[in-house]
This record gives sequence, C-alpha cells and structure tokens, in this order.
Amino acid sequence: QKEVEQNSGPLSVPEGAIASLNCTYSDRGSQSFFWYRQYSGKSPELIMSIYSNGDKEDGRFTAQLNKASQYVSLLIRDSQPSDSATYLCAVNGSGGSNYKLTFGKGTLLTVNP
Amino acid sequence: DAGITQSPRHKVTETGTPVTLRCHQTENHRYMYWYRQDPGHGLRLIHYSYGVKDTDKGEVSDGYSVSRSKTEDFLLTLESATSSQTSVYFCAISKDTGRGYTFGSGTRLTVV
Repeated sequence: QKEVEQNSGPLSVPEGAIASLNCTYSDRGSQSFFWYRQYSGKSPELIMSIYSNGDKEDGRFTAQLNKASQYVSLLIRDSQPSDSATYLCAVNGSGGSNYKLTFGKGTLLTVNP
Repeated sequence: DAGITQSPRHKVTETGTPVTLRCHQTENHRYMYWYRQDPGHGLRLIHYSYGVKDTDKGEVSDGYSVSRSKTEDFLLTLESATSSQTSVYFCAISKDTGRGYTFGSGTRLTVV
C-alpha cells in the first residue's frame, strides 16, 4: 500500500508569516506531485503541481521536491486569513498506476489576523 | 467547476436500499474517479475508469459498483447501503496520466 504522510496539524501562523507544509511519500517511482487546498465543506482545488527536483514558484506559493528524500513541501509566503484551509498532498502511482493519485490526510492551516 | 457536476448534492437513504450517484463531465477527459472522504481517513479511491466500459477497483471498493457507458458519465452504485457508507463522495476527472485531478462539488450521503 503506497502511503503519503502529512502532519495533521493544526498549523497556526500569524498573518503575513510563512506557512510551511510538509509531505513524505513511500513510492520511489512516483513522478508527479500535487498540492490541493480544501476549504471546509468544499471540494479540493489544485493549487500546485511539481514534477522535477527543486523549487517551483507561483505567486505566494512555492512547492519544493526532493525525490531522493521522498519529500514534498509547500511554502505559503505572506499568509492571509483566506489561506486558512486544509492542504492535501497527492502523489501519483508508479508504473501501471501512474494515473491514480494517493492523497495524504491533509494539514489544517489556520492564519490568525 | 471546470465542467464536472455531481448529482445529487445531498441524499439521505435507508439501510439496505440501493443508491446511485452520478458524475457528469463536459471536458471529454479520459480518466474518471470516485473517492470518498471521511474524517481521519482522508480521500480514498473507490473505483476509477480509464475509458468507456473500462473500470477498475480502488482501495475501498467493497459494496460499490460503477459503470461508464459514455465518456461523459460515470455512475457509482451502492448496491445495499450501510451506515458505514455515510460519507462525502467526490468525483474527479483527469485528462492524462501524471496530471492533477479536477474535482466535482461532492455528494453528501447519509445512510440511516
């Protein structure tokens, strides 16, 4: 059973701070990595994808990938109260399962005004 | 939601009755998925489809069946609903392998 692990939180940061969310995965053959944001009572929304080692930046969001360590992270700069949500890490399967995503259980982020 | 709709949005049903949830997409994506989301368990894959009439089981498929007779529709059936199937059900679509999913708005199902 391929696993994706996240700290459940809650992670609480003050407005304007950097929020750091972490994820580890067990399938060494995984090639595609995603971060979803889910507001309470809503469906998950794709916010970042990353496929290569290193950093990928999109606005206030930076995804970081280290395949050797099987580690993915999401940094949110200048955190806003509207960023308060659960963040889900998702990883694709390897080989014949590469079109299936396995999700972590999510980290609840609270940004305090 | 990028051309994906789920119906119904909410449903209350009695134990032992069959229930069908519908997912409809207008994106012509090849891959479709049904997940359930429960507190403490996160999103778990029930069934998925990689083309018309091509479906396979996910990690929590017992008590569920699916059908996909057209590219745009993916149906999830609970053959005889049980209280353990009370959950939020999400449909998702994907264009290619290695791509992220787009999720529907979800169906909140309560089995009493």
